[in-house]
Amino acid sequence: DSGVTQTPKHLITATGQRVTLRCSPRSGDLSVYWYQQSLDQGLQFLIQYYNGEERAKGNILERFSAQQFPDLHSELNLSSLELGDSALYFCASSAGPELHFGNGTRLTVT
Amino acid sequence: QKEVEQDPGPLSVPEGAIVSLNCTYSNSAFQYFMWYRQYSRKGPELLMYTYSSGNKEDGRFTAQVDKSSKYISLFIRDSQPSDSATYLCAPDSGGSNYKLTFGKGTLLTVNP
Repeated sequence: DSGVTQTPKHLITATGQRVTLRCSPRSGDLSVYWYQQSLDQGLQFLIQYYNGEERAKGNILERFSAQQFPDLHSELNLSSLELGDSALYFCASSAGPELHFGNGTRLTVT
Repeated sequence: QKEVEQDPGPLSVPEGAIVSLNCTYSNSAFQYFMWYRQYSRKGPELLMYTYSSGNKEDGRFTAQVDKSSKYISLFIRDSQPSDSATYLCAPDSGGSNYKLTFGKGTLLTVNP
């Protein structure tokens, strides 16, 4: 068990809808990362937060946004969903070079 | 050229075989070289990592980094069915933002 909790495990929604994915990092970890994993693109970095502030941005679409709250949990908001957004979304936390991943949220857009 | 290239496989070997997994990268600033293992329906977990060039051994696993050729390898000796997973290489430049650039992963199956 990595200590990183992601909810929900599965999400099925329709195109055009908005969803929120939630992540609780390992106790004591200030950094939270979001990744998208699809079969053709592999694991793609989306965004990083450190102690509530955005630290780095990757290939995150404008329709997606994230935030990290004072209790350090993080949420990833995906809006105007398209079929191509169907993927596994992973959250990871760290206190150094090693990332600790949750088991992901599988999003299916129909 | 992509930052990290990894042969996606799939790779299928008999139990006990020596497995070689490889990546190439393009960013000379990479200093940390990590290997993650991902079982089906699970998140990646760190297997081992090296800093700068050289070899590192941990049990049946050996990681090698050749910075001159920008080539990363992971060797698995006496492979076991429990090693069946996707292996992702992840080099990084370090600093306070360890966001990692992952290879696409190689799917390994070890057959009993």
